[in-house]
Amino acid sequence: AQSVTQLGSHVSVSEGALVLLRCNYSSSVPPYLFWYVQYPNQGLQLLLKYTSAATLVKGINGFEAEFKKSETSFHLTKPSAHMSDAAEYFCAVTTPNNNDMRFGAGTRLTVKP
Amino acid sequence: EPEVTQTPSHQVTQMGQEVILRCVPISNHLYFYWYRQILGQKVEFLVSFYNNEISEKSEIFDDQFSVERPDGSNFTLKIRSTKLEDSAMYFCASSRGVNQPQHFGDGTRLSIL
Repeated sequence: AQSVTQLGSHVSVSEGALVLLRCNYSSSVPPYLFWYVQYPNQGLQLLLKYTSAATLVKGINGFEAEFKKSETSFHLTKPSAHMSDAAEYFCAVTTPNNNDMRFGAGTRLTVKP
Repeated sequence: EPEVTQTPSHQVTQMGQEVILRCVPISNHLYFYWYRQILGQKVEFLVSFYNNEISEKSEIFDDQFSVERPDGSNFTLKIRSTKLEDSAMYFCASSRGVNQPQHFGDGTRLSIL
């Protein structure tokens, strides 16, 4: 079955600094990959998705992610962190015609002023 | 923008009792899902539902669990005889099609005493 691993359960950056949240996937077939954000006491909100089109995917709130098949990675980046970016971020994977979405353990992003 | 809504936001139940968690998916979505998130742990897939039947389920979704779409709008998760370890946040999600982005509700926090 497909899976994702998020490296780093907690990432802390200064406001204005680069945000890099790491995700590596495992899948026997070409994957579909997603990043979700979860704010306290809320559900998951889709940031962006990769579904076999462009490998560089742009999402909401200035985030983007690049699918790298050679590295089995789908890291999430944002050039300049904002205080409002502080949240839990989840990488997720599924495969074509499969509704079983697997989530990573999550990375908590803290933004320091 | 249409949302997935879940009720109640917090449910407290005695161990051994039955509990029903309710969800109203986005109206033109065809696929429905339940996930759970035990405090401090990753989001875990429970079940997906399409065309009035379960399309996939995880190993967590045992005979204690059932799902139903009793009418044209609600999608419910029933736990027959709750255990302490069922305490978690339960998220409902829906999507327009298979592999389409899943839209999540804000969750129901289930506390088993």
